[in-house]
Amino acid sequence: AQTVTQSQPEMSVQEAETVTLSCTYDTSENNYYLFWYKQPPSRQMILVIRQEAYKQQNATENRFSVNFQKAAKSFSLKISDSQLGDTAMYFCAFFRSGGGADGLTFGKGTHLIIQP
Amino acid sequence: NAGVTQTPKFRVLKTGQSMTLLCAQDMNHEYMYWYRQDPGMGLRLIHYSVGEGTTAKGEVPDGYNVSRLKKQNFLLGLESAAPSQTSVYFCASSDSDRSYEQYFGPGTRLTVT
Repeated sequence: AQTVTQSQPEMSVQEAETVTLSCTYDTSENNYYLFWYKQPPSRQMILVIRQEAYKQQNATENRFSVNFQKAAKSFSLKISDSQLGDTAMYFCAFFRSGGGADGLTFGKGTHLIIQP
Repeated sequence: NAGVTQTPKFRVLKTGQSMTLLCAQDMNHEYMYWYRQDPGMGLRLIHYSVGEGTTAKGEVPDGYNVSRLKKQNFLLGLESAAPSQTSVYFCASSDSDRSYEQYFGPGTRLTVT
């Protein structure tokens, strides 16, 4: 079974600053995907970024980028030029792609607060 | 294109009552999932389906049943609700094209008293 650990229950930064959210995972699988999801107060789960484990290049989506360290089983999310609308819960998630479609394994989340 | 919808959005049940949550998707996705989210926790997988007529247990299946009679619908049933089932329930779907991106519904907040 996989486990996902987010060690920062809450973080707070000033608007326009850069912030990094940490995520580590444990798995014996070789084929998998990693995701960051954002959950604003509306409760809707929104995909922020995705990383395929077989790709060495780190994924980037506009102000969001990841630092994927496969050997260390680490998958951190960097948010540049943070905005008030980035305030939300952020969840790191693991998907085992080699054995079927048996769902995402989530971390407990990091509550990110962007201060004006 | 509505994506993933869930019915109802809110519900209050008394202990021992039963109910069914409906999830519908209009993206022709093969895979569908039910998760629950409790305070201080990430989402946990209850049951999932890899196609019409198939279902499988996830991490926390006890007390729940599911059915997928039509490809676009995935039903989650509680036969005898318990206070421990107070939670927010999310449905999700994904395609089988190996992108594995899951699209989530807006959630159902269920309170069992």
